[in-house]
Amino acid sequence: NAGVTQTPKFQVLKTGQSMTLQCAQDMNHNSMYWYRQDPGMGLRLIYYSASEGTTDKGEVPNGYNVSRLNKREFSLRLESAAPSQTSVYFCASSEVTTKNTEAFFGQGTRLTVV
Amino acid sequence: SQKIEQNSEALNIQEGKTATLTCNYTNYSPAYLQWYRQDPGRGPVFLLLIRENEKEKRKERLKVTFDTTLKQSLFHITASQPADSATYLCALPFSGGYNKLIFGAGTRLAVHP
Repeated sequence: NAGVTQTPKFQVLKTGQSMTLQCAQDMNHNSMYWYRQDPGMGLRLIYYSASEGTTDKGEVPNGYNVSRLNKREFSLRLESAAPSQTSVYFCASSEVTTKNTEAFFGQGTRLTVV
Repeated sequence: SQKIEQNSEALNIQEGKTATLTCNYTNYSPAYLQWYRQDPGRGPVFLLLIRENEKEKRKERLKVTFDTTLKQSLFHITASQPADSATYLCALPFSGGYNKLIFGAGTRLAVHP
């Protein structure tokens, strides 16, 4: 099983450029999430999708947009990248119908904005 | 607002000893708490979940306690090994459900031979 797959693994952008981070899961999970991880700050939730067709803001949504393309895929878009968005981005999924269940994470995308 | 605190200083211990990591939280009464392991350059991996009505949970060499009065969880690794060296994160669900998790910054554990 592949689990949660993120692409790309590394990316360098210039300020003002746009890009989309892709995420796909093969576990038939309803819920998917995007987190960013910065040194000393832990994982912070950007956006989440409780089920196909729904998305909602997390702790730090400014500068990002998301699309839940189908049950498998959840993409994160940076419309105009800024140096403050330099971070490691993690996609995760979980099964929302079962209470108290764990999240499965992808391997991360390391993004640098110069 | 909800806040999770983990010791930001690395924990260095000798192989074979018990490692104890702390997770404190405020402004919150979570239904459960989770612990994850994260290796460099990798995503977090789930280890254990403990519910609010459970005082202690064990899995092989791992033990987690959950004190809802103190608002604290302790994570123990007994007979630690160099392979246990990693960053350990605690996580709580946001109030409001959907299994959204709020994470602590993590504590790095280094086990020396």
